[in-house]
Amino acid sequence: DVVMTQTPVSLSVAIGQPASISCKSSQSLVGTSGKTYLNWLLQRPGQSPKRLIYLVSKLDSGIPDRFSGSGSETDFTLKISRVEADDLGVYYCLQGTHFPYTFGAGTKLELK
Amino acid sequence: EVKLLESGGGLVQPGGSLRLSCAASGFTFADFYMSWIRQSPGKAPEWLSFIRNKANSYTTEYNPSVKGRFTISRDDTQNVLYLQMNTLRAEDTAIYYCAKHPLDAWGQGASVTVSS
Repeated sequence: DVVMTQTPVSLSVAIGQPASISCKSSQSLVGTSGKTYLNWLLQRPGQSPKRLIYLVSKLDSGIPDRFSGSGSETDFTLKISRVEADDLGVYYCLQGTHFPYTFGAGTKLELK
Repeated sequence: EVKLLESGGGLVQPGGSLRLSCAASGFTFADFYMSWIRQSPGKAPEWLSFIRNKANSYTTEYNPSVKGRFTISRDDTQNVLYLQMNTLRAEDTAIYYCAKHPLDAWGQGASVTVSS
């Protein structure tokens, strides 16, 4: 299985400050189609996970452009340019290139 | 608006069986692949299974952790996704989510507890 390693485990950020989360995969996530199926999801307390970003850098509908995704092959990053209170929760990276799909262990974003 | 509503969860004894359902609305269910994912308390989600659409012969994929015990299926006439779970173990205790592929919409989850 592809192992997704997320860092940091937790992140304490003040409102208005930037945040960055790293996700590294144990093998390349470039699929046979040439596409890279790397997603970022946010799980707010008591809610289901919600996809924010797909194909490394494409924002889902309704996701503010404060969020951005970047990376390639095995090394990926989620950045929030200015954290807002609504951004708090656990962020997961998810690879959808290789079966079984696998998630990172999560990064908990908290308010400083 | 896409809506996914899981049902069928509950308390079951080790070795028992349970069938989860996921009622879908707000999109053309028959056109999309669908997945089941679970999340144990305090853990990251774990992808379990995936079923393609009729155009792709309803073929399935499973996580080895549940292959042979869990079976995914769908009824496109009723817009319902199923997960048949057999030989349940304590470690299968989790919230079970259905999701529209490519995991861009999730249900609210159904709780499954395996305990004697």
